[in-house]
Amino acid sequence: ETGVTQTPRHLVMGMTNKKSLKCEQHLGHNAMYWYKQSAKKPLELMFVYSLEERVENNSVPSRFSPECPNSSHLFLHLHTLQPEDSALYLCASSTATSGGWETQYFGPGTRLLVL
Amino acid sequence: GQNIDQPTEMTATEGAIVQINCTYQTSGFNGLFWYQQHAGEAPTFLSYNVLDGLEEKGRFSSFLSRSKGYSYLLLKELQMKDSASYLCAVRDSNYQLIWGAGTKLIIKP
Repeated sequence: ETGVTQTPRHLVMGMTNKKSLKCEQHLGHNAMYWYKQSAKKPLELMFVYSLEERVENNSVPSRFSPECPNSSHLFLHLHTLQPEDSALYLCASSTATSGGWETQYFGPGTRLLVL
Repeated sequence: GQNIDQPTEMTATEGAIVQINCTYQTSGFNGLFWYQQHAGEAPTFLSYNVLDGLEEKGRFSSFLSRSKGYSYLLLKELQMKDSASYLCAVRDSNYQLIWGAGTKLIIKP
């Protein structure tokens, strides 16, 4: 496997379900990101982990819970979601340096539908 | 507030040239990125500009004017596979990426 992979690619869940999205990067990066992409809207940054520590949480509802066990893996745990949470969830990774975060490389995303 | 503007949709003809514009108002500037995203796929990195001027990479070129808060992506010799969304993003003074909503480019034969 190369690059950034995400599983599952598609997910349908009810509002009372609990599910997890997985992301794995094979690029040797030390920063990972979760984004939400809704139709005709800019990418929304949800969480950033740099060196496995959460750096940013842009006021995301608590029904989304990230986990970064090591620099290659990132999870997004979902519970009691709402229909408006239906979107494409993208994972990205990059190198983090003292000057900031470098070019981000994306996975193919998980298309989530909440019923 | 911070804002990135780009056209929602553009149409062009195979073999022609198209220019996709991006204007931005951000808190500081640490570079501008262009990404290509085919439907249902990952955004892929196309170009990065941090200094004024034109960066050429094969059929694709990207231009930046920091004083005008303006960039464009120029695609030459258009091919059907260039049909995709093109995302503009600016890195602000906190090294946070501010994203535009993307421009959907439709290529017609």
